[in-house]
Amino acid sequence: QSALTQPPSASGSPGQSVTISCTGTNSDIGGYNHVSWYLQHPGKAPKLIIYEVSERPSGVPDRFSGSKSGITASLTVSGLQAEDEADYYCCSFADTDKWVFGGGTKLIVL
Amino acid sequence: EVQLMESGGGFVRPGGSLRLSCAASGFSFGSYPMNWVRQAPGKGLEWISYINRDGSAAVYADSVKGRFTVSRDNGKNSLYLQMTSLRGEDTAVYYCAKDHEWASDYWGQGTQVTVSS
Repeated sequence: QSALTQPPSASGSPGQSVTISCTGTNSDIGGYNHVSWYLQHPGKAPKLIIYEVSERPSGVPDRFSGSKSGITASLTVSGLQAEDEADYYCCSFADTDKWVFGGGTKLIVL
Repeated sequence: EVQLMESGGGFVRPGGSLRLSCAASGFSFGSYPMNWVRQAPGKGLEWISYINRDGSAAVYADSVKGRFTVSRDNGKNSLYLQMTSLRGEDTAVYYCAKDHEWASDYWGQGTQVTVSS
C-alpha cells in the first residue's frame, strides 16, 4: 500500500487560513470515509484532530476542519496561531483492512 | 484520564527480537481495538498493526507481516508487539494507540527501537 500524497510544507501568517491536501486512490480515500488527520509537535506523540473526514474530537478547536472530494481529502486550519506550527499527517483506512498515512506536511506560521 | 505507556524498546542486532508492551489505563481497555504505529528517525508515521477488541483478529502492514505479532491481555489492560527477524529499517519510535471510529484518538509517548550491528 503506497503512502498518501501530501505537500511537504505549507505556510501562512497568523490569522490566515491554510489548507493541506492529501491525495490517495479509490482503494483508500476514494473508497471510504475513514479519513483522519493528526498533528505532531517535535518530539511529541501525534494528536488526533479530525476523524471520519470531518468530525472533531472533543477539545479540538473548530478552527480545524476536514473535507473530502473523490480521492483527495483536505484539512483547513483557520485563524492560524503560532501553536499550530507542527507536522500534519492524513490517514485513511484502505482495502485489505489496512491503514495508510500520508508523508506529512510541515505547517509553518510566518 | 486515558493513559498509554509503552515499554520494552532498546538496542538489538539485526535478526534479533524484542517484545514491546503497552500498559493502558483510564478507559475500558477490552472495549476498544488497538493499533501500533511507528516513526523512523526524521520520517513520517507508518501504521503497522491493528488488533480487535478480544484479540481474535489482527492485521499487519506488508512491511512487518510474518515477522511481527500483536496480542493483548484484556485482564491486564495490556497490548503487546512481538518483533522478530528485526532489520535496520525497523529502527523507529513505536507508538501504541487506542482506536476510535477508524482513527487513533489516544497515543502513548512511544518507545525507541534501534536495530544496528
